Amino acid sequence: DAGVIQSPRHEVTEMGQEVTLRCKPISGHDYLFWYRQTMMRGLELLIYFNNNVPIDDSGMPEDRFSAKMPNASFSTLKIQPSEPRDSAVYFCASSIRVEGSNEKLFFGSGTQLSVL
Amino acid sequence: DAKTTQPNSMESNEEEPVHLPCNHSTISGTDYIHWYRQLPSQGPEYVIHGLTSNVNNRMASLAIAEDRKSSTLILHRATLRDAAVYYCILRGANTGGFKTIFGAGTRLFVKA
Repeated sequence: DAGVIQSPRHEVTEMGQEVTLRCKPISGHDYLFWYRQTMMRGLELLIYFNNNVPIDDSGMPEDRFSAKMPNASFSTLKIQPSEPRDSAVYFCASSIRVEGSNEKLFFGSGTQLSVL
Repeated sequence: DAKTTQPNSMESNEEEPVHLPCNHSTISGTDYIHWYRQLPSQGPEYVIHGLTSNVNNRMASLAIAEDRKSSTLILHRATLRDAAVYYCILRGANTGGFKTIFGAGTRLFVKA
């Protein structure tokens, strides 16, 4: 299995532009998570999906952020308009529910976003 | 969400065992204890998890206190490649347990 695949690996954009980050979870996994990591705030959970349905988006910073999961094999995180403070590494992770909560989280390699 | 407390950093010599502690005094009976680590410029990766009994796998061992209010991740022989940030996380058995929250973790430095 190729693991969780994220694209692009690096994104540099200018303030005000729309940014779209993409994630392909591991086949068969029914949970998908979006995290953001910065030096100041560490790893923050933004939103997670179960069977393509958003379950908890309380971590999404503001209305400029939106996430979708149109099918089991694809999710996007969109920032519109982007701001310099959105600069961070964005991780996607997936998991499958097995015996309650002893399932593992599998992370992608992340997207390094720089907003100038 | 139940919280965990870990030291900010620890240092070890190569080839020596490392014991990484984690306190979780508010753990509930259905919370699993998970450990992940994050190598430089990579996403976090799973290390080990347990509920009540001690656990061993090829990467590490997990020792869980009898009252489950603390646990210790044991790396039996640290290598330079083990230098990473180690996260101790609680994941509950109900739906809310899937909302996995990461703390600051312990940054492990390994000296040659």
